[in-house]
Amino acid sequence: DAGVTQSPTHLIKTRGQQVTLRCSPKSGHDTVSWYQQALGQGPQFIFQYYEEEERQRGNFPDRFSGHQFPNYSSELNVNALLLGDSALYLCASRGGQGIDTQYFGPGTRLTVL
Amino acid sequence: QKEVEQNSGPLSVPEGAIASLNCTYSDRVSQSFFWYRQYSGKSPELIMSIYSNGDKEDGRFTAQLNKASQYVSLLIRDSQPSDSATYLCAVPQNTGFQKLVFGTGTRLLVSP
Repeated sequence: DAGVTQSPTHLIKTRGQQVTLRCSPKSGHDTVSWYQQALGQGPQFIFQYYEEEERQRGNFPDRFSGHQFPNYSSELNVNALLLGDSALYLCASRGGQGIDTQYFGPGTRLTVL
Repeated sequence: QKEVEQNSGPLSVPEGAIASLNCTYSDRVSQSFFWYRQYSGKSPELIMSIYSNGDKEDGRFTAQLNKASQYVSLLIRDSQPSDSATYLCAVPQNTGFQKLVFGTGTRLLVSP
């Protein structure tokens, strides 16, 4: 049973560039959430996708956008990168709106120079 | 007041001792609570969930929930050096979409 997968593992970008991170949910899961974790902090919710729509959004600017595909996989896009966007980006999946247990992927470490 | 609060630590315990990790939350209607373990440089790993008042045991781990006091804790018995990690308390926000709100995590150090 495949768990949550994310790619790439690490990424280095410069300020002003754009980045796309990818996530495949755990088998049987249809809901994907994205979190940002800065060093020494707990994960912060960015947004959640269900049925290919953004269902809830955290306190992040419009530079952060996403997409969910018919196979439930998801992308997180960040435009006009800032130094402060350097963080571990985590994808979590769960098995639907009635199930609240979320499982995290290995994360993507983004460094913005 | 933060929605989910944890002491950042580090909490230092000797090998074989009981480690007690605490978490308080602000939303009185919260129904479910999760503990995640995160090793340095890795992603959070779910170790316990609890929904009802009282204790829930799973191996060396025991989660305790007191909804009246808005308090949830995690006890680790017979602590091992491999338990050294950051423990994150997470509470779903009651919006129907299960956004997880995390504390900052408590760093646990178990010395041999």
